[in-house]
Amino acid sequence: DQQVKQNSPSLSVQEGRISILNCDYTNSMFDYFLWYKKYPAEGPTFLISISSIKDKNEDGRFTVFLNKSAKHLSLHIVPSQPGDSAVYFCAAEYSGGGADGLTFGKGTHLIIQP
Amino acid sequence: NAGVTQTPKFQVLKTGQSMTLQCAQDMNHNSMYWYRQDPGMGLRLIYYSASEGTTDKGEVPNGYNVSRLNKREFSLRLESAAPSQTSVYFCASRGRHGGYTFGSGTRLTVV
Repeated sequence: DQQVKQNSPSLSVQEGRISILNCDYTNSMFDYFLWYKKYPAEGPTFLISISSIKDKNEDGRFTVFLNKSAKHLSLHIVPSQPGDSAVYFCAAEYSGGGADGLTFGKGTHLIIQP
Repeated sequence: NAGVTQTPKFQVLKTGQSMTLQCAQDMNHNSMYWYRQDPGMGLRLIYYSASEGTTDKGEVPNGYNVSRLNKREFSLRLESAAPSQTSVYFCASRGRHGGYTFGSGTRLTVV
């Protein structure tokens, strides 16, 4: 049973427009959420995170929104740039679970078109 | 540069062969992890080590063993490789404040 779901395998957005990547989770114990970006032949790199005590976190062009009641989070990228083309993974963890790792979604391949 | 180093970057094995994937971090992190990434599957946790001297199974541990050699190094061993273990393997470490750093991956093919 998948606990973190990214239902869009791919997303195509025009350069300069907003990219919105979605993520749903089922485990109500999760209280910390992260987005990772991955280029081919590289490891995932941390992008932005949010704690369950917040509903929004912003870092430059990237904003993550969390809706706890809906168990849904989204990543907004504004404006989208060609270098944003990558696979984006949503991940979650339960901070009270010790250091037992992140649970990842399957990823969304974002393609920024010129 | 500080970070997580994985070796080798690529490996081809025959079914039944054994090998060890090496991982080292120089950030003084306590926790280390091994994930595998398969097409359309995201990253799945194989084993982790919350601190030096401890290891625990993750979501997909069958066919693997691990060793936390010291605080810096966490190795993953395939005793008898199977085609189902063809994957990209990522090692990661976790800092005190929750930041995870990933290595660049080992692409393993079992034929």
